[in-house]
Amino acid sequence: DQQVKQNSPSLSVQEGRISILNCDYTNSMFDYFLWYKKYPAEGPTFLISISSIKDKNEDGRFTVFLNKSAKHLSLHIVPSQPGDSAVYFCAASGAETSYDKVIFGPGTSLSVIP
Amino acid sequence: NAGVTQTPKFQVLKTGQSMTLQCAQDMNHNSMYWYRQDPGMGLRLIYYSASEGTTDKGEVPNGYNVSRLNKREFSLRLESAAPSQTSVYFCASSHRAIQGYTFGSGTRLTVV
Repeated sequence: DQQVKQNSPSLSVQEGRISILNCDYTNSMFDYFLWYKKYPAEGPTFLISISSIKDKNEDGRFTVFLNKSAKHLSLHIVPSQPGDSAVYFCAASGAETSYDKVIFGPGTSLSVIP
Repeated sequence: NAGVTQTPKFQVLKTGQSMTLQCAQDMNHNSMYWYRQDPGMGLRLIYYSASEGTTDKGEVPNGYNVSRLNKREFSLRLESAAPSQTSVYFCASSHRAIQGYTFGSGTRLTVV
């Protein structure tokens, strides 16, 4: 059973609008979350992270929100740009693995339409 | 800076053949990882090495072996390739997983 879920396989957004990518997790021991971005034929790149002591973390156009009680996080991209078109992976980690590894979700493919 | 280098980039194997995927990092990271990416499944951890001299199984270790040759190099071996091992393989490294991985560009493996 997947511990990290991204229930939307794909999302299309107009350039300049907000993109919201969602992620749910089932393991209550997870307390550190990361987002990665992946272009075709390249390896994923680390985008932004959040620990469970926070409910929001911002980095430029990217903001991650964490709702611990709902076991839900989301990545907001404002404003969306065509170069943001990529697959976005949510990932989670916890102390039970000494934060040595992360578990990835299946990914959401974002298309930003000019 | 090269970051994480994987070789080869592409490979076609026949069922039953063996091969080794090579990975090297030049960032002095302690931890190294092998993931596979399959459609609809995301990235699944095969094996990882939290430090030189240690290796641990991930979610999908069956059919694979690994060697942490030194701090820089972490190889993945398929002893007897099967069509189910057709995938894109990514190597990654980090100081700690929660600080973010640096990934290589991937190896696209097809087993026929």
